[in-house]
Amino acid sequence: AQTVTQSQPEMSVQEAETVTLSCTYDTSESDYYLFWYKQPPSRQMILVIRQEAYKQQNATENRFSVNFQKAAKSFSLKISDSQLGDAAMYFCAYRSLYSGGGADGLTFGKGTHLIIQP
Amino acid sequence: NAGVTQTPKFRILKIGQSMTLQCTQDMNHNYMYWYRQDPGMGLKLIYYSVGAGITDKGEVPNGYNVSRSTTEDFPLRLELAAPSQTSVYFCASTKHRQGEYSNQPQHFGDGTRLSIL
Repeated sequence: AQTVTQSQPEMSVQEAETVTLSCTYDTSESDYYLFWYKQPPSRQMILVIRQEAYKQQNATENRFSVNFQKAAKSFSLKISDSQLGDAAMYFCAYRSLYSGGGADGLTFGKGTHLIIQP
Repeated sequence: NAGVTQTPKFRILKIGQSMTLQCTQDMNHNYMYWYRQDPGMGLKLIYYSVGAGITDKGEVPNGYNVSRSTTEDFPLRLELAAPSQTSVYFCASTKHRQGEYSNQPQHFGDGTRLSIL
């Protein structure tokens, strides 16, 4: 079974600065998907960014980018030019590449609470 | 676009009562999921379904039942509510073909906050 670990329960950053959220995972699979989801106080789960493990290039989405280190099983999220609206819980999640069997769900970390200081 | 709709948004139950959490999606997704989120934790998979008539257990299925009679609906049933089932429940859906790369993200509903007293 896969596990996802987010070692930072809470992070704080000044508005307009850059912050990096850490995520490590454990798997015996060679191909898989990784995701970062944002959960604001409204409780919605919003996809921020995703990475295919078979792609070497790190994914980027506007101010959000990842540092994917496959050998180290590390998948950190960098938020540039932090904005007040970025304040939320951030969850790292793992999904097997192929559907079917017990691999269909997402495995989540415990989350990191991101605080944006004005 | 409605996406994934969950009802109710909040509910308080007494120990031993039963209830059904409703989930419906209008995106013609074949895969649907139920997760629970306990305080300070990430989401954990309860049950999932790969299509109408097909369901399977996830990581934490005990105390729950599901059915999938249509593509759109995936209700979650609690038969004998227990305090340990106090949680926020999320329904999600996605579309992909079994056996192929599952690169589509899951779309989540807004959650149901359930308290068992």
